[in-house]
Amino acid sequence: EVQLVESGGGLVQPGGSLRLSCAASGFTFSSYSMNWVRQAPGKGLEWVSYISSSSRTKHYADSVKGRFTISRDYAKNALYLEMNSLRVEDTALYYCARDVFGSYNLDCWGQGTLVTVSS
Amino acid sequence: QSALTQPASVSGSPGQSITISCTGTSSDVGDYNYVSWYQQHPGKAPKLMIYDVSNRPSGVSNRFSGSKSGNTASLTISGLQAEDEADYYCSSYTSSSTRVFGGGTRLTVV
Repeated sequence: EVQLVESGGGLVQPGGSLRLSCAASGFTFSSYSMNWVRQAPGKGLEWVSYISSSSRTKHYADSVKGRFTISRDYAKNALYLEMNSLRVEDTALYYCARDVFGSYNLDCWGQGTLVTVSS
Repeated sequence: QSALTQPASVSGSPGQSITISCTGTSSDVGDYNYVSWYQQHPGKAPKLMIYDVSNRPSGVSNRFSGSKSGNTASLTISGLQAEDEADYYCSSYTSSSTRVFGGGTRLTVV
């Protein structure tokens, strides 16, 4: 069974940093591109970042470019999101999501980890 | 990148059909077939319902169908059931190699 489990969320002050993790299982992690998507409380979905299966290609939403960094560890079957210079508007539930093989659609999602940026 | 445009809400009665529209631009919906639809029940993670405009993942009911014309994609749900009541989001790949979501549509089955 394909499973994605996020962790690392919590309460952080504006300007602070946080590192999110996503543990993947049930599929060949190295064959799939991965993404982070967030959802502010009571709001819609916002795509955050993408990393290719090889890690050679990374893309970011304009709202996080220069502050967030996506990476992956093939030995640990893990996806990461390093978040720096956090802002109040980064408060959201962060989902890890897998792309459909060979496509740009999100076919598997974790349950999310909550990031709260507040003083 | 501006969000795709969806109606805020739609409603229908059990057994009826409804269609949710998703309007983008020639830089996203109009130029790529990487359009997908997601269903989200309260407190749950989104679930992929349609990908690549009109393909259904294994396990998704054939009551769900997708299409695209120009810069507008559509999700049609036929034979509405109470369990279809949820939020629905469209998404597209963009010319900037990013993704963009719609603002979401709340479906009410009355």
